[in-house]
Amino acid sequence: GAVVSQHPSRVICKSGTSVKIECRSLDFQATTMFWYRQFPKQSLMLMATSNEGSKATYEQGVEKDKFLINHASLTLSTLTVTSAHPEDSSFYICSARDLQTQYFGPGTRLLVL
Amino acid sequence: RKEVEQDPGPFNVPEGATVAFNCTYSNSASQSFFWYRQDCRKEPKLLMSVYSSGNEDGRFTAQLNRASQYISLLIRDSKLSDSATYLCVVNIEGSTDKLIFGTGTRLQVFP
Repeated sequence: GAVVSQHPSRVICKSGTSVKIECRSLDFQATTMFWYRQFPKQSLMLMATSNEGSKATYEQGVEKDKFLINHASLTLSTLTVTSAHPEDSSFYICSARDLQTQYFGPGTRLLVL
Repeated sequence: RKEVEQDPGPFNVPEGATVAFNCTYSNSASQSFFWYRQDCRKEPKLLMSVYSSGNEDGRFTAQLNRASQYISLLIRDSKLSDSATYLCVVNIEGSTDKLIFGTGTRLQVFP
């Protein structure tokens, strides 16, 4: 199956700093990528849909100025958590769509101290 | 009401047992249906798609009832390696093809 990578896999940062997470589709081109967040014992929640060459579409309640998404190429989307705070600590997972199937990256665990 | 509802479990079953998970969805515009498996602290992985006619993949059988907006997953002859959280997922097709995840049902298979 298609492979999606994420980097970094884990990050610990101080409150107020910004963190960038990369999502890459390794063996296919993805015009659309998705960013999810999962808090402990909760379901994955879609944050935004990232479209190559255009602005991301954010879900209700997700601040676009706080979670900056850039999808500059068909194989790379980045999510930047700006001025991170402890409540942003979560498991961030991206997915990329290949035809009708979404493939998930291994996730990035963010801990904001 | 949550868009996709599942019994969180956990379901604790012995090896070899048959176990069934249920899921209901609220949006009648849902078009595609899936079961994903998520191991602890890992990303979800597609287990199988769910078709209206029902479908089987080895020990796993999925059923869909559109009228009742109900999806099920049956696992026969449970293995220790089946221990995971099973996520019911629906896709509301449109401009964004959003996947809506249930909170998952945790399965623990014991020897």
